Amino acid sequence: AQSVTQLGSHVSVSEGALVLLRCNYSSSVPPYLFWYVQYPNQGLQLLLKYTTGATLVKGINGFEAEFKKSETSFHLTKPSAHMSDAAEYFCAVSGNNQGGKLIFGQGTELSVKP
Amino acid sequence: SQTIHQWPATLVQPVGSPLSLECTVEGTSNPNLYWYRQAAGRGLQLLFYSVGIGQISSEVPQNLSASRPQDRQFILSSKKLLLSDSGFYLCAWSGRGPRDTEAFFGQGTRLTVV
Repeated sequence: AQSVTQLGSHVSVSEGALVLLRCNYSSSVPPYLFWYVQYPNQGLQLLLKYTTGATLVKGINGFEAEFKKSETSFHLTKPSAHMSDAAEYFCAVSGNNQGGKLIFGQGTELSVKP
Repeated sequence: SQTIHQWPATLVQPVGSPLSLECTVEGTSNPNLYWYRQAAGRGLQLLFYSVGIGQISSEVPQNLSASRPQDRQFILSSKKLLLSDSGFYLCAWSGRGPRDTEAFFGQGTRLTVV
């Protein structure tokens, strides 16, 4: 079985500050891990993913995440927040060859203060 | 390139009325198709997925049903809506190859049952 826990349903940062959104997962098989972003009343856009190989993955809009197997974590970071980063962020897990069958976390709403 | 279309974008329906949400994918063939629901204040939950025409798997017991009458068409239906069916419904697709590891989402349909 797989599950995802996102710590903090709401995170607020100042513009230019570090963004850190936390995600821990549980999986009985080697996981594929994803971060998606959702703007109000829109669908989900893939920010980045980890499948195999390098554990530090870079995505769009300056975001990156590091897969840490020993900590079962996949935290999302961005060095400097921009106002346009305000959105809801979802961490998700799937198993090998599961395609779009994703288990999502509850989401973290990111606010960026000017 | 591949695109996914969902309609309508918003829908207000009375309790007990029927429902039909449609999703189509362009630019790919034989995709896996998914319906997710995002209830207020909650994460996304997989409702149905389909690996081919007429092949539907239900992930959670509910008042809804899904059908796939054509390769790139996925329909979400209900005969009689309940208040608890309100939410944001997202259609998604994924490929079938070993490198097709993520889902691509439509823009969603916000359903309000009154």
